[in-house]
Amino acid sequence: QSVLTQPPSASGTPGQRVTISCSGSSSNIGSNTVNWYQHLPGTAPKLLIYSNNHRPSGVPDRFSGSKSGTSASLAISGLQSEDEADYYCAAWDDSLNGWVFGGGTKLTVL
Amino acid sequence: EVQLVESGGGLVQPGRSLRLSCAASGFTSDDYAMHWVRQAPGKGLEWVSGISWNSGSIAYADSVKGRFTISRDNAKNSLYLQMNSLRAEDTALYYCAKDISAWTQAFDIWGQGTMVTVSS
Repeated sequence: QSVLTQPPSASGTPGQRVTISCSGSSSNIGSNTVNWYQHLPGTAPKLLIYSNNHRPSGVPDRFSGSKSGTSASLAISGLQSEDEADYYCAAWDDSLNGWVFGGGTKLTVL
Repeated sequence: EVQLVESGGGLVQPGRSLRLSCAASGFTSDDYAMHWVRQAPGKGLEWVSGISWNSGSIAYADSVKGRFTISRDNAKNSLYLQMNSLRAEDTALYYCAKDISAWTQAFDIWGQGTMVTVSS
């Protein structure tokens, strides 16, 4: 059972907009920023969004993040087949004194 | 090219020890915190441990506290994870990851991972 809660799966058709939610608590998302990672099996995870809504250089602006209270979300617009991957949210937890990840959301592009 | 390369994984019996290494290249690793993150077969990502740029701040997941020790040698651009009293549940692909800050903010560079299998 992960400290941060994500839906196990999400799906969309090419060109659509999809959102992935991440729910936490006051000790993690409620008091710290949220990062999002994209992970394709067999490859190294990739940082997509940091500090709630900042994109590292090279990440398309189709990816965006937001946070409100103890929840966060990742939005992907103009869905492409290459976006099919696992997505993880993460936040520092002040009570655990460590990073916690969501269980991951498997995105399928139909 | 910015790169992290892990090594040291393998098959080990329960209760034994293993030391993982991570070699950094293409950047000055001593400006940044470094972390170990693992993924058990069929499971999600789990943060294991992190160390600040000067080793002044260190943190561990509860699941490994007291058994694992993280360290770094900035002169060698290397990160280490000493794993003692290994358990079957430690079986995972272990990733080395670079932070974007001197302590901890986000992990922007990841290695390809080294597999650790704990089994008799």
